Amino acid sequence: SQKIEQNSEALNIQEGKTATLTCNYTNYSPAYLQWYRQDPGRGPVFLLLIRENEKEKRKERLKVTFDTTLKQSLFHITASQPADSATYLCARRSGAGSYQLTFGKGTKLSVIP
Amino acid sequence: DTGVSQDPRHKITKRGQNVTFRCDPISEHNRLYWYRQTLGQGPEFLTYFQNEAQLEKSRLLSDRFSAERPKGSFSTLEIQRTEQGDSAMYLCASSSVEEQYFGPGTRLTVT
Repeated sequence: SQKIEQNSEALNIQEGKTATLTCNYTNYSPAYLQWYRQDPGRGPVFLLLIRENEKEKRKERLKVTFDTTLKQSLFHITASQPADSATYLCARRSGAGSYQLTFGKGTKLSVIP
Repeated sequence: DTGVSQDPRHKITKRGQNVTFRCDPISEHNRLYWYRQTLGQGPEFLTYFQNEAQLEKSRLLSDRFSAERPKGSFSTLEIQRTEQGDSAMYLCASSSVEEQYFGPGTRLTVT
């Protein structure tokens, strides 16, 4: 089965620093990876999608990379703010031709003022 | 259209009772998904519709769970003979392309 692993359950960083979250996947490379943000008691919110032929994608203070050799995606938040505190989820397609997503457990980011 | 909506937001039921949840997707989205999420875990896929056709269903989904999307618009998820292990957040999402837009979820507590 296709798995997604987010190794850090929690990450604490100082305001203004860059947060880097890691997502590793198993088996074959997915066509794309997605990153979501989830606040307590709410549904996930889509942030970014990166395809396997893209090395990097940016959106405002967010940057995602995709390394098919390492089977890894990195998610960066630059100039972090306390409002960035949330759980960040990585997700992949569960299989070729499937639209269901397999999610990691998420990394809870806390930005300390 | 303000996004995906789900009803109810919270449901408390006694073990053995049946419950039904409703999801209204973003109107132009033809794909609809149901996920379940427990504390400290990511969402776990349950089932997927394209228009009114149920195309994928998790092998982990018990026969007590059934979902419908009768006219390709809203969807319902029913759980029969609820068990304490069914306590979770039930999330609905919709999409037209790859990214999925989630609703606020229905929090189910089985006592």
